[in-house]
Amino acid sequence: GEQVEQRPPHLSVREGDSAVITCTYTDPNSYYFFWYKQEPGASLQLLMKVFSSTEINEGQGFTVLLNKKDKRLSLNLTAAHPGDSAAYFCAVSAYNQGKLIFGQGTKLSIKP
Amino acid sequence: NAGVIQTPRHKVTGKGQEATLWCEPISGHSAVFWYRQTIVQGLEFLTYFRNQAPIDDSGMPKERFSAQMPNQSHSTLKIQSTQPQDSAVYLCASSLPGREQYFGPGTRLTVL
Repeated sequence: GEQVEQRPPHLSVREGDSAVITCTYTDPNSYYFFWYKQEPGASLQLLMKVFSSTEINEGQGFTVLLNKKDKRLSLNLTAAHPGDSAAYFCAVSAYNQGKLIFGQGTKLSIKP
Repeated sequence: NAGVIQTPRHKVTGKGQEATLWCEPISGHSAVFWYRQTIVQGLEFLTYFRNQAPIDDSGMPKERFSAQMPNQSHSTLKIQSTQPQDSAVYLCASSLPGREQYFGPGTRLTVL
């Protein structure tokens, strides 16, 4: 079945610097891609969804890039601020499958 | 919109006791998902309903775990004869068909 590898498991950057988290997946039928943010003690908050027809999505302070040829999904925080400190998870779903397969997560810490 | 509601938020059971977890999906969402989150295993898919019908239970342990969705406004996850290894945060999510999943706050189950 689908396997999703997420790197790095821990990431510490200074405030104002950029941070990049990458996921690779194995199933070429993967169709839907998501990034979730989880603050300590809280549930998963949807950051961005990327569907098959989209390669780059931009949100507030971050960019998501999907490379289907390489089966790679990345989240780039452009200028980190303290509120970005959290765990980030990528998730992948095949077309009409429903269930999400998650990466192992990245714990991001922002240093002042 | 209250979001996905999960009760209780915390549950402590003794080994061998039963635990029932409740989920109320977002009104109008026809798909309901259950996941389990632990430090060691990360986020794991358990089971999925669409229009109250069970669609995929491939992640459910074969023994002691069962899930139901008796009506469109709630789903339950029941764990019989709980064991310490069942300790986890159980997350419920709901979505419109083929769309992004929104997660509830989770139920933290602790089995002593």
